[in-house]
Amino acid sequence: AQSVTQLGSHVSVSEGALVLLRCNYSSSVPPYLFWYVQYPNQGLQLLLKYTSAATLVKGINGFEAEFKKSETSFHLTKPSAHMSDAAEYFCAVSDDRGSTLGRLYFGRGTQLTVWP
Amino acid sequence: GAVVSQHPSRVICKSGTSVKIECRSLDFQATTMFWYRQFPKQSLMLMATSNEGSKATYEQGVEKDKFLINHASLTLSTLTVTSAHPEDSSFYICSAHSLDRSGYTFGSGTRLTVV
Repeated sequence: AQSVTQLGSHVSVSEGALVLLRCNYSSSVPPYLFWYVQYPNQGLQLLLKYTSAATLVKGINGFEAEFKKSETSFHLTKPSAHMSDAAEYFCAVSDDRGSTLGRLYFGRGTQLTVWP
Repeated sequence: GAVVSQHPSRVICKSGTSVKIECRSLDFQATTMFWYRQFPKQSLMLMATSNEGSKATYEQGVEKDKFLINHASLTLSTLTVTSAHPEDSSFYICSAHSLDRSGYTFGSGTRLTVV
């Protein structure tokens, strides 16, 4: 069964500093991996996704993530944090049922705080 | 891009009453709709998966008679919380999967408060 572990429930960085949010996954099949961002009282917005193409995935708002099969990791990074990046971030892995995507398995989330 | 409209965004109801939450895919056909529940400062917990025209599949521990899910068309799925109690207060989010495998589109969520 698929599972996701996000290391660190809270990450704090200064504005302009590097953002690194960690995600490790467990999957019995080649995974589809996602990073989502959630602002208070809102749904989830897709930042980026890995679907077995390029291992370095670029997303919106300057975020990117690298799929490392040997480390079963999919860490999210951004070179320079902005105040507007403060939010909850979720890593997720999906079932791949061949012709259609299955359910998503979410990590517990990482709250990113950005200090001025 | 794909958009899922979820209504209402907030609802307050009395204990014992029922509340219906709607999710509509506005510009694509959602063959599968996922319903999640999220407690404060926690991750999303999958409640059930519904496919258009068939009965929903509920996760273990989720009462199907309490959380009624209907997916009557490719653009509309509803979650009805029946005989609501204060412990049902939570944030409910739907997610639709589109036929072209482009991913999952989430609704904006519904904050349910049962008083």
